[in-house]
Amino acid sequence: EVQLVESGGGLVQPGGSLRLSCGASGLTVSSNYMTWVRQAPGKGLEWVSVIYSGGSSYYADSVKGRFTISRENSKNTIFLQMNSLRAEDTAVYYCARVAYYPSSGSFALDSWGQGTLVAVSS
Amino acid sequence: EIVMTQSPATLSVSPGERATLSCRASQSVRTNLAWYQQKPGQAPRLLIYGAFTRATGVPARFSGSGSETEFTLTISSLQSEDFAVYYCQQYNNWPPLTFGGGTKVEIK
Repeated sequence: EVQLVESGGGLVQPGGSLRLSCGASGLTVSSNYMTWVRQAPGKGLEWVSVIYSGGSSYYADSVKGRFTISRENSKNTIFLQMNSLRAEDTAVYYCARVAYYPSSGSFALDSWGQGTLVAVSS
Repeated sequence: EIVMTQSPATLSVSPGERATLSCRASQSVRTNLAWYQQKPGQAPRLLIYGAFTRATGVPARFSGSGSETEFTLTISSLQSEDFAVYYCQQYNNWPPLTFGGGTKVEIK
């Protein structure tokens, strides 16, 4: 059974930094595409970042240059380093596995963590 | 960036009735579309990928259809556990992945 557990959220002042972690069991992060998705209070889902199995990473325009996704294979964990935080970054942050279905060439987020809340406020 | 638009924002349905949710893409995504269900306080759950393929363990009352820019999620006979928010998401020519704004299915 796949399990993803996020941690590291909390209250931070505007301009501050936080590092989120997502520990995985039941899958190997280095063999999968892993992604972060966030959800502001009462709002919809917003994709944030992805790291491919090969190590390439991509970001939403809203976080580009401020957030960095990475992984530590020995700990089977991915991270999201968030710098220069803004009030609009306040959200629950979910990590998820991007599954690939070769029969249809489909991608979908098939396993999700429970989320960690980041609140940016003075 | 491909913009996904869902309608209606809220759908009021009685238990046992059919629910039809719509999702429109700003440009063709072929059948590269997924649907997710989210209940309050929970993470989203994958329901459908490839526009019409049910994910493992998803009941047969959930069905997806459509292609290019117009998609539909149908719940044939609503059960109490189906009242939730539903999101569509495209993965054609990604990143970025983009989600629709969601449709809340509530009890009538």
